[in-house]
Amino acid sequence: EAQVTQNPRYLITVTGKKLTVTCSQNMNHEYMSWYRQDPGLGLRQIYYSMNVEVTDKGDVPEGYKVSRKEKRNFPLILESPSPNQTSLYFCASKEVANTGELFFGEGSRLTVL
Amino acid sequence: QKEVEQDPGPLSVPEGAIVSLNCTYSNSAFQYFMWYRQYSRKGPELLMYTYSSGNKEDGRFTAQVDKSSKYISLFIRDSQPSDSATYLCAMSATSGTYKYIFGTGTRLKVLA
Repeated sequence: EAQVTQNPRYLITVTGKKLTVTCSQNMNHEYMSWYRQDPGLGLRQIYYSMNVEVTDKGDVPEGYKVSRKEKRNFPLILESPSPNQTSLYFCASKEVANTGELFFGEGSRLTVL
Repeated sequence: QKEVEQDPGPLSVPEGAIVSLNCTYSNSAFQYFMWYRQYSRKGPELLMYTYSSGNKEDGRFTAQVDKSSKYISLFIRDSQPSDSATYLCAMSATSGTYKYIFGTGTRLKVLA
């Protein structure tokens, strides 16, 4: 089954404690991206990657890091989480040549106390 | 002003009603228009995809794009309780792009 898998799905942590949210896709997609979804603000892009070792900032990259060492994986790293990073996070992937269909994971709800 | 504006709702309709969901946008460079459906506690999934102006129909769903007015719509005919979800519009400017701009989503509830 084609899917984007995120872990953990739910996480409560404290300010400053480094965490990583993993994302893996099994569709051999070149493009992967991270979004955060907040009430009234919609989905905002954090980082994206066009292929292995190629990453770039989206609209809200501050406080986040990413890496793309393998095509299937695109982890999101919060080096020193703060309460304003409490949000619902989505990983998505697509073929580079395909404009429309972003495949999303099921989301990771993060709470930073 | 946001690049994409979408009424957040919630919108409640009786089963069988025709539903109209809309987005307006300000960037005339947008050429690709999408509607995603998001069920509670799930990721968005692509519902409709349209290039440039015009209509596209898929079963009970019709997507319309009016580039002259910078306005897009999604119509749902014979709405069902299973259509209850949040509907997100999304837009991009070029083919193969990395950049999507999403609306904030409209929450729809179809009452049985």
